[in-house]
Amino acid sequence: GAVVSQHPSRVICKSGTSVKIECRSLDFQATTMFWYRQFPKQSLMLMATSNEGSKATYEQGVEKDKFLINHASLTLSTLTVTSAHPEDSSFYICSANAGLAGRADTQYFGPGTRLTVL
Amino acid sequence: GQNIDQPTEMTATEGAIVQINCTYQTSGFNGLFWYQQHAGEAPTFLSYNVLDGLEEKGRFSSFLSRSKGYSYLLLKELQMKDSASYLCAVYNFNKFYFGSGTKLNVKP
Repeated sequence: GAVVSQHPSRVICKSGTSVKIECRSLDFQATTMFWYRQFPKQSLMLMATSNEGSKATYEQGVEKDKFLINHASLTLSTLTVTSAHPEDSSFYICSANAGLAGRADTQYFGPGTRLTVL
Repeated sequence: GQNIDQPTEMTATEGAIVQINCTYQTSGFNGLFWYQQHAGEAPTFLSYNVLDGLEEKGRFSSFLSRSKGYSYLLLKELQMKDSASYLCAVYNFNKFYFGSGTKLNVKP
């Protein structure tokens, strides 16, 4: 089946620094990718929709200047957490749709990135 | 807005059957999905419903009633490896909105 990768799988950084997380679709092209955040013992919260060739759309309450999203190609989206703080420590997961637009059954999730901000 | 509710935690015995319920109130609806998530890992797809009724996939079945805003995931012949969180998600306008997840503990 389709594979979505994320890099890095784990990152520890100091407060105030920026961290970039990559999401790649390995064997298919994805015009749309999604970024989620998951705090311990909570469910996934959709942060933003990453659109190839255009600006990302952010969910209500998500700071677009803090969480920069760039969808540089049909196989790569990046999420940059700027000026990270301990409260940004979380599990970040991306997903991509491998099929026709709107076919949710072909949505694949990446393995996630564990961010710890000291 | 999107409101999706699931029980927080359930416990069941190996070999038994367990039903995990999900109720939703959303501004739109294009499908109801169930995912399994082990701690520290990404969710994996289990089942989905677009129309009312029961969908069966091996040991897992999912039911949907759109008029009631209700779905359930049925797990049969429980195995220890089924211990995980089960996430209910509504698919709406090309986005997924997840419930809080149900942690299932399977005991011997």
